[in-house]
Amino acid sequence: GAVVSQHPSWVICKSGTSVKIECRSLDFQATTMFWYRQFPKQSLMLMATSNEGSKATYEQGVEKDKFLINHASLTLSTLTVTSAHPEDSSFYICSARDLLTLGVGHQETQYFGPGTRLLVL
Amino acid sequence: DQQVKQNSPSLSVQEGRISILNCDYTNSMFDYFLWYKKYPAEGPTFLISISSIKDKNEDGRFTVFLNKSAKHLSLHIVPSQPGDSAVYFCAASAYAGNNRKLIWGLGTSLAVNP
Repeated sequence: GAVVSQHPSWVICKSGTSVKIECRSLDFQATTMFWYRQFPKQSLMLMATSNEGSKATYEQGVEKDKFLINHASLTLSTLTVTSAHPEDSSFYICSARDLLTLGVGHQETQYFGPGTRLLVL
Repeated sequence: DQQVKQNSPSLSVQEGRISILNCDYTNSMFDYFLWYKKYPAEGPTFLISISSIKDKNEDGRFTVFLNKSAKHLSLHIVPSQPGDSAVYFCAASAYAGNNRKLIWGLGTSLAVNP
């Protein structure tokens, strides 16, 4: 249980284009989803937190107009990197948390997708 | 300011022995702690967690110990297996505004040698 998928697993795009990454919870309802990015040899950096049906909360230093997050349903969140530039190249990972159905002791656990490797040329 | 610290960037252990990974934190508002295992170019996999009201949680070969007074937790893996070789992240959870979020350590790379 608690499987999260991400699509695509990797993408190469030209500078200036927009890239959309999907994150899906496959067997539970993700009341909250998180988007992270990870640079080589560094820890995960939280970019934003999104609750289903409401606007995402962005971390300090993350441009909301550049990284558009939509969490329109309990099983899907999307991250769109708009007008991507080479410095946006990174490993993007989503996670999901279920406050309703996973039971006591699991509400605080985030379950992660496999990640999306983005390379902007 | 690193609120969650994993002071050992790497650890090497012989197969069959115990692996002990350590984590220290500074924020007393953290009330839930988690350990994740991560392979390169993959998302982290949840391993085990512990609430701040407990001092030990065990799941198979994995045991997490929490010492609240010392603001320290540790993950014990016994016996260690070569497949355990990965980067292990310690994470702590607290409310930030209306949301809970995880604060991550920098990870410890564990190598289990056959």
